[in-house]
Amino acid sequence: DAGVIQSPRHEVTEMGQEVTLRCKPISGHNSLFWYRQTMMRGLELLIYFNNNVPIDDSGMPEDRFSAKMPNASFSTLKIQPSEPRDSAVYFCASSSNRGRSYGYTFGSGTRLTVV
Amino acid sequence: QQPVQSPQAVILREGEDAVINCSSSKALYSVHWYRQKHGEAPVFLMILLKGGEQKGHEKISASFNEKKQQSSLYLTASQLSYSGTYFCGTGDSNFGNEKLTFGTGTRLTIIP
Repeated sequence: DAGVIQSPRHEVTEMGQEVTLRCKPISGHNSLFWYRQTMMRGLELLIYFNNNVPIDDSGMPEDRFSAKMPNASFSTLKIQPSEPRDSAVYFCASSSNRGRSYGYTFGSGTRLTVV
Repeated sequence: QQPVQSPQAVILREGEDAVINCSSSKALYSVHWYRQKHGEAPVFLMILLKGGEQKGHEKISASFNEKKQQSSLYLTASQLSYSGTYFCGTGDSNFGNEKLTFGTGTRLTIIP
């Protein structure tokens, strides 16, 4: 398996622009998580899906952030409008709940810089 | 709340042992451990479930004491490849694949 695939790897955008991050989870994994990592706040959970349904979005900072999972093989995280404080590395991770021995598999991340 | 890890950073010589602790203020059902190298994604090491189990593979093992809401990661005879930042992730529900709250991280540096 190719693992969790995220795109783009790097994104530099101007304040006010819309940003869309993409994630393809591992085939067969039924849970998908979006995390944000910064030096100050560490790894923060933004939202997670189970069987394509959003379960907990309490970590989404504000209405500027939205996430979708239209099918089992694709998810997006959108920021509109973007602000400099959104600059961070955004990770997508997937896992399976068929047996609790499985941990998360993280994608390579998207490094977002908002100028 | 975010689990607290200690120490925040540690420097060891190759071959020395290390213990990394993770403490939560909430009741826990599971604890995960991950290692992240600079510029890379976190990589899963192991999961421990409620029941006070201890797990390990090769020279890396861990314990979980749910009564104390604590877990410890043990690295013995450390190798250069063990360098990185270690995170614990705590799960507070017994529903399938629960969300994890990650700890503050411990930066481990192994020097020759």
